Amino acid sequence: QVQLVESGGGVVQPGRSLRLSCAASGFTFSTYTMHWVRQAPGKGLEWVAIISYDESHYSYADSVKGRFTISRDNSKNTLYLQMNSLRVEDTAVYYCARDEQWLVAPFDYWGQGTLVTVSS
Amino acid sequence: IVLTQSPGTLSLSPGERATLSCRASQSVSSSYLAWYQQKPGQAPRLLIYGASSRATGIPDRFSGSGSGTDFTLTISRLESEDFAVYYCQQYGSSPVTFGPGTQVDIK
Repeated sequence: QVQLVESGGGVVQPGRSLRLSCAASGFTFSTYTMHWVRQAPGKGLEWVAIISYDESHYSYADSVKGRFTISRDNSKNTLYLQMNSLRVEDTAVYYCARDEQWLVAPFDYWGQGTLVTVSS
Repeated sequence: IVLTQSPGTLSLSPGERATLSCRASQSVSSSYLAWYQQKPGQAPRLLIYGASSRATGIPDRFSGSGSGTDFTLTISRLESEDFAVYYCQQYGSSPVTFGPGTQVDIK
């Protein structure tokens, strides 16, 4: 069955970096577009970033552009989110999610999320 | 594209009909509009895509309708497991955006 398992969350000070991972299984990872979506405590969903199946295209929310980098390793079936210059407002549960095709398909599977807390 | 959902909270009893609204600031291309259900401590679950198509395994009491800028999610008869937060999402243009959510509470 399809599984997406995030890891790498934790408590980090403002200005520091963190890398999240999302391990995929149960489907052909290399053919799917992947996303990161976050949810601040008690708040709604915020899309963060997208990467195409072959890493040739990607895009970011304005709130993270220039600080976060999405990448993937199709040989390891893993999606990454490198988060630099973290801010208190980046505190959230971070979910990875997949879609069948760039900007024409919904997010049909999501991971369980990993919590990132940015605090001094 | 900014999505607005109404009402913010809907208080209903089991067996009642729930009607949730999602309005977009501009037309959603090709009806690339989805609805998700989220329960506390859980990831969102896809319910509806393409404005009106049910995702795999979703009961037929859930239905979606609409086009352009106005969309609706209807739950025909609420069951206890349906009390949750519902988000609409447009996925046809970047950046992908979500509405702020509608909480469906037990009355």
